[in-house]
Amino acid sequence: QITLKESGPTLVKPTQTLTLTCTFSGFSLSTSGLGVAWIRQPPGQALEWLALIYWNDDKRYSPSLESRLTITKDTSRNQVVLRMTNMDPVDTATYYCVHTIEVFYYFDYWGQGTLVTVSS
Amino acid sequence: DIQMTQSPSSLSASVGDRVTITCRASQSISIYLNWYQQKPGKAPKFLIYAASSLQSGVPSRFSGSGSGTDFTLTISSLQPEDFATYYCQQSYSAPYTFGQGTNLEIK
Repeated sequence: QITLKESGPTLVKPTQTLTLTCTFSGFSLSTSGLGVAWIRQPPGQALEWLALIYWNDDKRYSPSLESRLTITKDTSRNQVVLRMTNMDPVDTATYYCVHTIEVFYYFDYWGQGTLVTVSS
Repeated sequence: DIQMTQSPSSLSASVGDRVTITCRASQSISIYLNWYQQKPGKAPKFLIYAASSLQSGVPSRFSGSGSGTDFTLTISSLQPEDFATYYCQQSYSAPYTFGQGTNLEIK
């Protein structure tokens, strides 16, 4: 059974760096073809894909946010970490950690999400 | 970036109705199109991949079709638990963009 859970601060100040951790079970990021993505959703708005890391450490970023994002993995601890610098109130959103497969790049297992509010 | 446009943005229907949601890509994406269902306060649920393949455990009243730029999600007979927001997502190339969502409400 695949599960993912996001953890990190619920409140950050403008200009600060957000660090979110995804801890997962039921699969290994050393397995060929697997990946973990981060997707966010501002309140009342649509889903936005942010970043993705694959089993072979290949990484993809949203071009509009690439300069602010870093995604890394710790295979031994079953964790993926997303860092987003220079946070702004428009970054207030629920952030989801999601399992993906390289063949069709769909997002089949989702964490419960964590709401991050950016406010001074 | 590939833009995904869903129509309608909202839809009112009754239990037992057949409903269709459309998703259009700004360029050809072959069959790299996925559908998700989201209920208020919950994470999205994965429904369909590769335009028409049903994820395991998803009821057969859900179906998808299309290729290239035009795709549809059809629910053959609406059930009370189907009232939710539906999103399409292209997985042809990064960034893996989503549509703006279709809110399916009870009439």
